[in-house]
Amino acid sequence: AQSVSQHNHHVILSEAASLELGCNYSYGGTVNLFWYVQYPGQHLQLLLKYFSGDPLVKGIKGFEAEFIKSKFSFNLRKPSVQWSDTAEYFCAVTAIHNAGNMLTFGGGTRLMVKP
Amino acid sequence: GAVVSQHPSWVICKSGTSVKIECRSLDFQATTMFWYRQFPKQSLMLMATSNEGSKATYEQGVEKDKFLINHASLTLSTLTVTSAHPEDSSFYICSARRSLADTDTQYFGPGTRLTVL
Repeated sequence: AQSVSQHNHHVILSEAASLELGCNYSYGGTVNLFWYVQYPGQHLQLLLKYFSGDPLVKGIKGFEAEFIKSKFSFNLRKPSVQWSDTAEYFCAVTAIHNAGNMLTFGGGTRLMVKP
Repeated sequence: GAVVSQHPSWVICKSGTSVKIECRSLDFQATTMFWYRQFPKQSLMLMATSNEGSKATYEQGVEKDKFLINHASLTLSTLTVTSAHPEDSSFYICSARRSLADTDTQYFGPGTRLTVL
């Protein structure tokens, strides 16, 4: 079974700082990769996803993520964070296999951006 | 597009009662819906996968007789927590996967916070 790990549980940044959140997964086969964001008091929203093609994926609100297959990683980046980016970020993976595609979540990273 | 709603958004009940939570896809048809549970400061744990017109598939460790799932239509799935106990208190989140385009993306509802006294 696949697993997903997010190494940073809490991140505190000042506005305009650059952000990189790590995500690694364990599964040897084909995967689809996702980043979801959960703003305080709100539901999960899709930030971006990777299915195939260009491994550098651009999402909403200036976020991007890079799939590095050799490292089993899908790190999330943003060059300059804003206070409104304060939220919890979840990396998720589906392993493509005949039994169906189950979405597995990482433990989440709670980001706080100081104004 | 791809909006998912849940009702109720929060519920408080006495121990031993049953609680039904609804999950609806508002602007698309969802052949597959998923139910997750989220404990405080933890990630989402998949409870079950619900396919329209068939029995739900439960994850290991999830009691199917306690968490009854019904996916009666392409836009509605319900989760009933039967004979709820305080340890069932949690945040329950559903998601829906569109049947045609974008088949591997799940869209999430806002969640239902259940408190069992």
